[in-house]
Amino acid sequence: LAKTTQPISMDSYEGQEVNITCSHNNIATNDYITWYQQFPSQGPRFIIQGYKTKVTNEVASLFIPADRKSSTLSLPRVSLSDTAVYYCLVGAPSSGTYKYIFGTGTRLKVLA
Amino acid sequence: KAGVTQTPRYLIKTRGQQVTLSCSPISGHRSVSWYQQTPGQGLQFLFEYFSETQRNKGNFPGRFSGRQFSNSRSEMNVSTLELGDSALYLCASSPGQVGGELFFGEGSRLTVL
Repeated sequence: LAKTTQPISMDSYEGQEVNITCSHNNIATNDYITWYQQFPSQGPRFIIQGYKTKVTNEVASLFIPADRKSSTLSLPRVSLSDTAVYYCLVGAPSSGTYKYIFGTGTRLKVLA
Repeated sequence: KAGVTQTPRYLIKTRGQQVTLSCSPISGHRSVSWYQQTPGQGLQFLFEYFSETQRNKGNFPGRFSGRQFSNSRSEMNVSTLELGDSALYLCASSPGQVGGELFFGEGSRLTVL
């Protein structure tokens, strides 16, 4: 089973770019990499998903190197409302063997 | 499109009791998974149901059980509650295809006294 490791916490200032890295050394061939954001007392919310190289959407970018043993979530120009916990999830949802194992999460605090 | 709905949102039980939590997935979603979230253990996967069948199971004791109905709605039950079962219980639905996005509800916060 893929195990993910993330920094426990990070601080940033408004307007800066934030990069959160997730290590997943034993990622399997069929595994996707997905990032979720969670605010207090709410369920996690999907941010972005990728398999290899780079994926970009309206809120974030996901960088995955060729060996896929790590990934980096990039949040451009963060604001106070981006203060949340960010989870990296590695696996292939609905594959029948996927265990939906979330990492411990990275608590991002955005300062004014 | 309505999101994932979990009921009840808050509940208090005493040790030894049992509890049933409900989850209504997004219309058309066939997969429902359940998670326990605590400050100490983080987000832990309980089980996943797809088309009324349990497809995956996490490492929780048999006191934790679930089921899914033909309309994809799901329930989870915890019997003989322990203090350590106090947690936020989250459910998520997805269309069911491999690699799909999980859509989470707001959770049911259980307090066991």
